[in-house]
Amino acid sequence: GQNIDQPTEMTATEGAIVQINCTYQTSGFNGLFWYQQHAGEAPTFLSYNVLDGLEEKGRFSSFLSRSKGYSYLLLKELQMKDSASYLCAVSPQTGANNLFFGTGTRLTVIP
Amino acid sequence: DSGVTQTPKHLITATGQRVTLRCSPRSGDLSVYWYQQSLDQGLQFLIQYYNGEERAKGNILERFSAQQFPDLHSELNLSSLELGDSALYFCASSVVGGGANEQFFGPGTRLTVL
Repeated sequence: GQNIDQPTEMTATEGAIVQINCTYQTSGFNGLFWYQQHAGEAPTFLSYNVLDGLEEKGRFSSFLSRSKGYSYLLLKELQMKDSASYLCAVSPQTGANNLFFGTGTRLTVIP
Repeated sequence: DSGVTQTPKHLITATGQRVTLRCSPRSGDLSVYWYQQSLDQGLQFLIQYYNGEERAKGNILERFSAQQFPDLHSELNLSSLELGDSALYFCASSVVGGGANEQFFGPGTRLTVL
């Protein structure tokens, strides 16, 4: 079976750094994705990790440890517009590309 | 704008009815995915098509079916609708069908079953 755990909600201050953790247990592993979703809108791609280590992209970084089944998304210099849900997803199946999503972490950025 | 289009944007119908949701992938993308997002659940994968063929299947109910046409657009058919089918239905597309690669999501169709 598949299971992904993320905190349900987090609050952080504008300008600060926040880390959103994700742990997963899946029958297969073909990569881990982070998506951002504003309320009522489509998810948008943030990052992808398939090998252990840190991937940095501007204010966003994502880390993966396959042996621990663990990832985190790091957001720096938080802005009000970063208030959104952050979805951790695993691609569990080789030969296909379907994603198994966690329930998401709702981040609120306060002034 | 991801380049993925979905119609209609909103759909209100009654229990027992049947509806069809439509998706056009980004230009050049061969793979289409359907996801369901309910208030109390995350995004649930339903089904994937690649170049007209079914590639992967998730927890899609037997009352639901989908297909991908030669022009690569896809339709999701939901029948014998129940109140619990009310949700946001997203379509996504990607260039290839295998190997992990970025999916681009459409704006979604909000289905309300009364």
